[in-house]
Amino acid sequence: KAGVTQTPRYLIKTRGQQVTLSCSPISGHRSVSWYQQTPGQGLQFLFEYFSETQRNKGNFPGRFSGRQFSNSRSEMNVSTLELGDSALYLCASSHRVPSYEQYFGPGTRLTVT
Amino acid sequence: KNEVEQSPQNLTAQEGEFITINCSYSVGISALHWLQQHPGGGIVSLFMLSSGKKKHGRLIATINIQEKHSSLHITASHPRDSAVYICAVDRDDKIIFGKGTRLHILP
Repeated sequence: KAGVTQTPRYLIKTRGQQVTLSCSPISGHRSVSWYQQTPGQGLQFLFEYFSETQRNKGNFPGRFSGRQFSNSRSEMNVSTLELGDSALYLCASSHRVPSYEQYFGPGTRLTVT
Repeated sequence: KNEVEQSPQNLTAQEGEFITINCSYSVGISALHWLQQHPGGGIVSLFMLSSGKKKHGRLIATINIQEKHSSLHITASHPRDSAVYICAVDRDDKIIFGKGTRLHILP
């Protein structure tokens, strides 16, 4: 069974631009969660989607948004990028809500200059 | 104060030593996860537990719900165990992460 895939793996953007990251979950998994990891704050929960509905959202500004498609693939979008958005963005999939074991993708490393 | 605290923050040990990493949390939870992150970023879920003890190979995880405390043990540690170990708790359908413990096993 293929693992969680994320594209792109690396990305360099300029302040003010927007970016879209993609996550394909393990086949059969309907829950996709997104996380941001920075050296200062560590791992932080962004949001979780289940069956195309956002179930939960972390404490991030509205510039961070996401969606999930009928095939469970998910995208997250960050608009008006700031230097502080430079981070490793990880997605994880599971059969159900976060209380079930999560399988992480390799992450997308975003650098904002 | 962070809702999830890990100790120690950094740990260096010799190959073969018994390793213990601790995690304390201050909120009610539905489950606790132990994650392993190697250099390069990939995260692997080691354990998910809500009570008692789980064992997988040389790894053992325990949780005490009353004391709001969990431990991750590594027996016969090996240099390939060198990684960051992260404790995370499920609360209100969200996950809260600890800052991680950086483990370095010397050959």
